[in-house]
Amino acid sequence: DSGVTQTPKHLITATGQRVTLRCSPRSGDLSVYWYQQSLDQGLQFLIHYYNGEERAKGNILERFSAQQFPDLHSELNLSSLELGDSALYFCASSSNEQFFGPGTRLTVL
Amino acid sequence: EDKVVQSPLSLVVHEGDTVTLNCSYEVTNFRSLLWYKQEKKAPTFLFMLTSSGIEKKSGRLSSILDKKELSSILNITATQTGDSAIYLCAVEAKAGGTSYGKLTFGQGTILTVHP
Repeated sequence: DSGVTQTPKHLITATGQRVTLRCSPRSGDLSVYWYQQSLDQGLQFLIHYYNGEERAKGNILERFSAQQFPDLHSELNLSSLELGDSALYFCASSSNEQFFGPGTRLTVL
Repeated sequence: EDKVVQSPLSLVVHEGDTVTLNCSYEVTNFRSLLWYKQEKKAPTFLFMLTSSGIEKKSGRLSSILDKKELSSILNITATQTGDSAIYLCAVEAKAGGTSYGKLTFGQGTILTVHP
């Protein structure tokens, strides 16, 4: 158990819908990262927040957005969902090296 | 664009064998290289290598960073069936300004250890 929690564990929704994924970092970690893992693309970095501020952006679509709240939990919002958005979404937190949460499996039908 | 390439893509060995996994990278503003093990769930952290720590060892696993060759190896000795997993290499680089934290992952090496 890495200490990073993510909810929900699984999510099934339809195309065009919007979902919110939630992440709580390890106690004391100020940084939160979001990743997408799909079979064809591997693990892709999406975005990094540090103490509430966006620090780095990777291959994140404009339909996706994230934020980190004062209590340091983070949410990843995915809108206008497409079939290709089906993937595992991981959150990681760090003080130095990154520790991953268990992931949210998103299925878009 | 930052790039991380791992080889081989897949490896099948017998228990007791020693394996070497390779990772090469091309990134701008390198900060660190990390190795992760992924079984059926989330990646689990193994090692982080930086300019000030180019060799790490933990039990049967060890890793070396070659900053000149822009590569790293992960060695596993006396492999066990529990070592079967996907091994991911990632490089941390500067994302912009003074901010680090952008990880670029390789495609992974699938290791299968047969009894």
